[in-house]
Amino acid sequence: DTGVSQNPRHKITKRGQNVTFRCDPISEHNRLYWYRQTLGQGPEFLTYFQNEAQLEKSRLLSDRFSAERPKGSFSTLEIQRTEQGDSAMYLCASSLGAGSDTQYFGPGTRLTVL
Amino acid sequence: GIQVEQSPPDLILQEGANSTLRCNFSDSVNNLQWFHQNPWGQLINLFYIPSGTKQNGRLSATTVATERYSLLYISSSQTTDSGVYFCASENQAGTALIFGKGTTLSVSS
Repeated sequence: DTGVSQNPRHKITKRGQNVTFRCDPISEHNRLYWYRQTLGQGPEFLTYFQNEAQLEKSRLLSDRFSAERPKGSFSTLEIQRTEQGDSAMYLCASSLGAGSDTQYFGPGTRLTVL
Repeated sequence: GIQVEQSPPDLILQEGANSTLRCNFSDSVNNLQWFHQNPWGQLINLFYIPSGTKQNGRLSATTVATERYSLLYISSSQTTDSGVYFCASENQAGTALIFGKGTTLSVSS
């Protein structure tokens, strides 16, 4: 397994459009996380899945954002009615889930909203 | 919640120099990790170090959990070490990493 993968790597969209990003975690990892990173800042937590269950959502995750992880494998993050403030790098991470353990990050999807 | 502060915010070095990056956290640390973010945005795991000292080549890290800080040492720096270094601590619920704002390192030849 080559690690966490994310698609697309870059997305440019117009304000008001919907966008969807995909994350494929490391195959045996039960936990999956989404983060958002803006310029000059560290990544900020958005949401977390244990297998297919979404167990925690940050208050950063407005009602325009929705994430799914069907069958506990890949995950999608959808942003509806995008706004210019949504422009950021969206990072996905996964971990084994056996207590405190290491999170491994994907390369990210960079979103630009015009 | 846990607050993570990193210093210095920026660091400029000549190739071959040594450096120390610091991470302070406000509460008991869980799952303290150090990452290097390369110019393409990829976060690369350096250390998982909730306590003690670890070394990997020219890099080493020490976490003193009782005093709520961690240090990352880079020896004989190379231009490829340039990028942003983040430390992150797991939140109390164990469901997310809380990141500092990072230290931007620039190594010139």
